[in-house]
Amino acid sequence: EVQLVESGGGLVQPGRSLKLSCAASGFTFSNYYMAWVRQAPKKGLEWVATISTSGSRTYYPDSVKGRFTISRDNAKSSLYLQMNSLKSEDTATYYCARRGYGSYYFDYWGQGVMVTVSS
Amino acid sequence: VQMTQSPSYLAASPGESVSISCKASKSISNNLAWYQEKPGKANKLLIHSGSTLQSGTPSRFSGSGSGTDFTLTIRSLESEDFAVYYCQQYNEYPPTWTFGGGTKLELK
Repeated sequence: EVQLVESGGGLVQPGRSLKLSCAASGFTFSNYYMAWVRQAPKKGLEWVATISTSGSRTYYPDSVKGRFTISRDNAKSSLYLQMNSLKSEDTATYYCARRGYGSYYFDYWGQGVMVTVSS
Repeated sequence: VQMTQSPSYLAASPGESVSISCKASKSISNNLAWYQEKPGKANKLLIHSGSTLQSGTPSRFSGSGSGTDFTLTIRSLESEDFAVYYCQQYNEYPPTWTFGGGTKLELK
């Protein structure tokens, strides 16, 4: 059974940093692109970052480019999101998602971790 | 590419059929997926490639469309279908993923 479990969320002050983790199990992690998607309170879903199987290619929307860094450790079947220079508008639930093999859609999602940026 | 999803809210009764629209600001071929969001559960991929049911998706769900206009139809609603639905598109160059604003399907 595919499982994605996020951790590392919490309350952080504006301008500070936070690192999220996602532990994957139930599939060969190194074979799949992975992504982070977020959802601000009462809002819709927003794609945050995607990383290739080896980690050599990463993709971000303009809203987080230069502040967020996605990375992975295939030996540990783990995905990470380093978030720097956090802003109040980064407050959201962050989901780890697996990109379907050779596809563009996200076929499995974690249950999410909450990040609150506030002074 | 912007995705405009409508309606944002929909009320229906079990047994009824409903449709949700998703319009792309430019042609996305059939690079469109539909997801279901329910409280306390991981988001679920229902349909990809515009009309292909993901394994495990009940046959009462169907997707149609290509280019810029897409529709998710749920026939004979069941109690478990009341949820929020999102469309999502993929743009290859540069690689970006965009979601629609969501449709909350509630029990009438």
